[in-house]
Amino acid sequence: GESVGLHLPTLSVQEGDNSIINCAYSNSASDYFIWYKQESGKGPQFIIDIRSNMDKRQGQRVTVLLNKTVKHLSLQIAATQPGDSAVYFCAENIEQAGTALIFGKGTTLSVSS
Amino acid sequence: GAVVSQHPSRVICKSGTSVKIECRSLDFQATTMFWYRQFPKQSLMLMATSNEGSKATYEQGVEKDKFLINHASLTLSTLTVTSAHPEDSSFYICSARSGVMLTFFGQGTRLTVV
Repeated sequence: GESVGLHLPTLSVQEGDNSIINCAYSNSASDYFIWYKQESGKGPQFIIDIRSNMDKRQGQRVTVLLNKTVKHLSLQIAATQPGDSAVYFCAENIEQAGTALIFGKGTTLSVSS
Repeated sequence: GAVVSQHPSRVICKSGTSVKIECRSLDFQATTMFWYRQFPKQSLMLMATSNEGSKATYEQGVEKDKFLINHASLTLSTLTVTSAHPEDSSFYICSARSGVMLTFFGQGTRLTVV
């Protein structure tokens, strides 16, 4: 079974809006989390990662928030663009264990202009 | 950044035949490679973990005799789908990692069994 989940299957926003995509994880031992973007027919593309010793990390137009108390992860995309339309997955693992990333179910983001 | 190349990107085969998918790390030595399967509108599901020079470790429910994995070198892993059937049609994705560094994904292979 999947150890991450709880998602909104689809999220529709207008161009320029901010988007928030959520993910809950169940393995309290996980210490490394990644958000991926997947376009149709392609492999996952790294967006941003965060380790459990942090609660927030910012990239270019993206921010990941980690709440270890409730085991919740979110991805915020600022000024969403049509090119952001894709499926977004969170993934987790125990970094030093060298194990595989386990993926959540994904959220399809649709951006209309 | 590191590149993982997967080949072919698309393949159509007849039911009962075997198909081999290659996964190569182009600019780093991948001590570990992972194979995932993704059905339409679903998430990536881990099939197996492959360490160079060792037998692959398969996830529960994945038939090792059907999905043969070979990781003969630090830059190449292959997945062979044996005696393919229509239900094996899926998107297969590999990923590669060196030690505990960031995992890099291939472009995926769309397998269609007719």
